Amino acid sequence: KNEVEQSPQNLTAQEGEFITINCSYSVGISALHWLQQHPGGGIVSLFMLSSGKKKHGRLIATINIQEKHSSLHITASHPRDSAVYICAVEGMDSNYQLIWGAGTKLIIKP
Amino acid sequence: EPEVTQTPSHQVTQMGQEVILRCVPISNHLYFYWYRQILGQKVEFLVSFYNNEISEKSEIFDDQFSVERPDGSNFTLKIRSTKLEDSAMYFCASNSGYYNEQFFGPGTRLTVL
Repeated sequence: KNEVEQSPQNLTAQEGEFITINCSYSVGISALHWLQQHPGGGIVSLFMLSSGKKKHGRLIATINIQEKHSSLHITASHPRDSAVYICAVEGMDSNYQLIWGAGTKLIIKP
Repeated sequence: EPEVTQTPSHQVTQMGQEVILRCVPISNHLYFYWYRQILGQKVEFLVSFYNNEISEKSEIFDDQFSVERPDGSNFTLKIRSTKLEDSAMYFCASNSGYYNEQFFGPGTRLTVL
């Protein structure tokens, strides 16, 4: 069983739609990361959170530690948001290394 | 803005050859990592490095792999005798140890023929 599960695997939506990507994990964690991977392969960190909610522009990330679940939301989606969004967790007592989900491929159509 | 750099961007090698992938982490960072991503698969942790030694490694990181921080700025991953299945994108990352955010390099695409 994967330690980090994401859903959906693929998501296609129209520009302007509200997007939700989900992440569930089965291990104890010290933090959860949301990252973005562009078609060229580069990885960018979007959020790191250990509780509650964070917002950056049109992106919102939430985490429920008791339920071991996190969501990434994109409001007013735009074609430039098209990318793979990856959830990754830091296990307890780790040196910050990440356990990765498989990613959600998001395509926003104009 | 400081960034993690990696060289080369693409390396092609013959099976059995040694390769060295190079990374320059952000200068005041203390934790360093190598990850790999086989085409179409998820990113996998290889190794973490702190205080001039390996702090943790995955099952993937066998005796064919080694890491070094030879001069205080570079952080290298060596694969002694490459196999076809080593073909992947290799990402270096660094972390200051204060804010938990990892900064990733652009990756090196390794192709083993």
